[in-house]
Amino acid sequence: NAGVTQTPKFQVLKTGQSMTLQCAQDMNHNSMYWYRQDPGMGLRLIYYSASEGTTDKGEVPNGYNVSRLNKREFSLRLESAAPSQTSVYFCASSGAGIYSNQPQHFGDGTRLSIL
Amino acid sequence: GENVEQHPSTLSVQEGDSAVIKCTYSDSASNYFPWYKQELGKRPQLIIDIRSNVGEKKDQRIAVTLNKTAKHFSLHITETQPEDSAVYFCAAHEGGGYQKVTFGTGTKLQVIP
Repeated sequence: NAGVTQTPKFQVLKTGQSMTLQCAQDMNHNSMYWYRQDPGMGLRLIYYSASEGTTDKGEVPNGYNVSRLNKREFSLRLESAAPSQTSVYFCASSGAGIYSNQPQHFGDGTRLSIL
Repeated sequence: GENVEQHPSTLSVQEGDSAVIKCTYSDSASNYFPWYKQELGKRPQLIIDIRSNVGEKKDQRIAVTLNKTAKHFSLHITETQPEDSAVYFCAAHEGGGYQKVTFGTGTKLQVIP
């Protein structure tokens, strides 16, 4: 059981380049999330998808787009990378049980540097 | 939207002592409060959680308390060990079933042998 898988693990881009971060989960979870983690800033929500077919902005969505491709996959795209987007990106997923809220399961993260 | 404040940002304790980390939240509709531990270079992982209909929960050396009236919740680690050294994050989940989550800014705990 792999849980949440993110690719790539590391990436270096030049300013203005584009790229897509991939995320897949095999736990049949409804909700998926993208966060960025910067020193001293904790985890900040970029976008989330409460269920297949829906996406919503989080705290810091500017400069990013997302696609919930199916129930398993949720991708994050940087259309024109900027140095301010240098960060560690985490994908997470969570299910729904008796209660609507469940803990999040995180991937290993993508370390992205933009020069 | 929800705002979660976490204190302290850093905490050093001697091995065997207790550690307490506190979080406050702003949205009274928040109803689920997990705590995550993140070791250096690793993913955050759930260590304990509490729901709004419960005041306290304990799991071995770790406990969480929730005061809904004051809108704050705390993580208590007793008999700390060097392997407890990590960054700890609190989080608050808004109600409504769509699971919008707000994290605290984290506490770096150092347990000194």
